[in-house]
Amino acid sequence: QQQVKQSPQSLIVQKGGISIINCAYENTAFDYFPWYQQFPGKGPALLIAIRPDVSEKKEGRFTISFNKSAKQFSLHIMDSQPGDSATYFCAASTANDYKLSFGAGTTVTVRA
Amino acid sequence: NAGVTQTPKFRILKIGQSMTLQCTQDMNHNYMYWYRQDPGMGLKLIYYSVGAGITDKGEVPNGYNVSRSTTEDFPLRLELAAPSQTSVYFCASRTSSGGPYNSPLHFGNGTRLTVT
Repeated sequence: QQQVKQSPQSLIVQKGGISIINCAYENTAFDYFPWYQQFPGKGPALLIAIRPDVSEKKEGRFTISFNKSAKQFSLHIMDSQPGDSATYFCAASTANDYKLSFGAGTTVTVRA
Repeated sequence: NAGVTQTPKFRILKIGQSMTLQCTQDMNHNYMYWYRQDPGMGLKLIYYSVGAGITDKGEVPNGYNVSRSTTEDFPLRLELAAPSQTSVYFCASRTSSGGPYNSPLHFGNGTRLTVT
């Protein structure tokens, strides 16, 4: 079964808007939560990652929010641009496990 | 710096045929992985390796085999191809030092396989 549940499956946002992708997990031993970005025809690439000892991490227009008690984390893309159109995957793993469990992915389309 | 290189980019197989998907990395990474990506299903781990001579099964290993004779190469073998193996296959690697937080996965650009 999917260890990390991701929603929505797809979303469309206008240029300048905010894209929000949500993920939930069950394994309380998870302590590494990366997000990967994938463009068509390419492999996924690390976008941003967070540890559970912080509630938020921001890199440019991308922010991860983490709620340990709810076992949820989310990616916010601020001021969305057409170049952000891609598929985004959340993932999780434990500290000593180098195997990532991936969410199902969210396809983001930013309309100009 | 080539990173992770996968060949071929595309392949069409007939049911029952076999093939090897090639993966090589030039970053001297110990850990290597094979994932398959199906629409709406995310990335599923097929096999992984923590170093030359060591391999282990992931979530969906049935119908596949791997070997790791060198640090650089991690080929994925499909025996008796089935339509259920139609997918996009990604190879990835990472270093083993510094923990997961300091050693992100590096992916190749994938092999799109169709079995008809």
